[in-house]
Amino acid sequence: DTGVSQNPRHKITKRGQNVTFRCDPISEHNRLYWYRQTLGQGPEFLTYFQNEAQLEKSRLLSDRFSAERPKGSFSTLEIQRTEQGDSAMYLCASSQTNYGYTFGSGTRLTVV
Amino acid sequence: QQQVKQSPQSLIVQKGGISIINCAYENTAFDYFPWYQQFPGKGPALLIAIRPDVSEKKEGRFTISFNKSAKQFSLHIMDSQPGDSATYFCAASGNQFYFGTGTSLTVIP
Repeated sequence: DTGVSQNPRHKITKRGQNVTFRCDPISEHNRLYWYRQTLGQGPEFLTYFQNEAQLEKSRLLSDRFSAERPKGSFSTLEIQRTEQGDSAMYLCASSQTNYGYTFGSGTRLTVV
Repeated sequence: QQQVKQSPQSLIVQKGGISIINCAYENTAFDYFPWYQQFPGKGPALLIAIRPDVSEKKEGRFTISFNKSAKQFSLHIMDSQPGDSATYFCAASGNQFYFGTGTSLTVIP
């Protein structure tokens, strides 16, 4: 395992449906981050885990969004009742310290 | 509120030329300033990073210049190559990374 793995790579869903994304971080990294990136913009912070504890959540993370990291390993990001505005690239990153994130290739969500 | 401001939005450079991308930040608590390179359909990849106690860092053709008093830092790509064509993001780190809006670099052969 040499990198951060995200699945699926692409997801097309109808408005109102729920979707779940998975992130498998680099195994020795205890920090895991979720970011959202829209076209022409830089990544925007969503939430951060240290081991299994969710330590910080952005105001961007509405109550339709939930993230978990059971047992401090992989993480899931769920979006309930998707809206067209949720269409974006969802990026996961992991690190051992507060620096030097390694990003995955992302999950591109399209809500139709 | 944009924590990190990046310019230009796009840049076209001839092969062999120098590409320069600039960023500015406000929060003096930021203590780590990385640059990321992103190709279409891929996640950002760390290119080079600097801490505020250093004014310059060079790795191969890539150099970061850091001006703590002006709260500005820049990426210089020397001898730019067509393979450098990508989107570049600066970032600043506190508890999380704050990214700039990106610069789309095109290097013309």
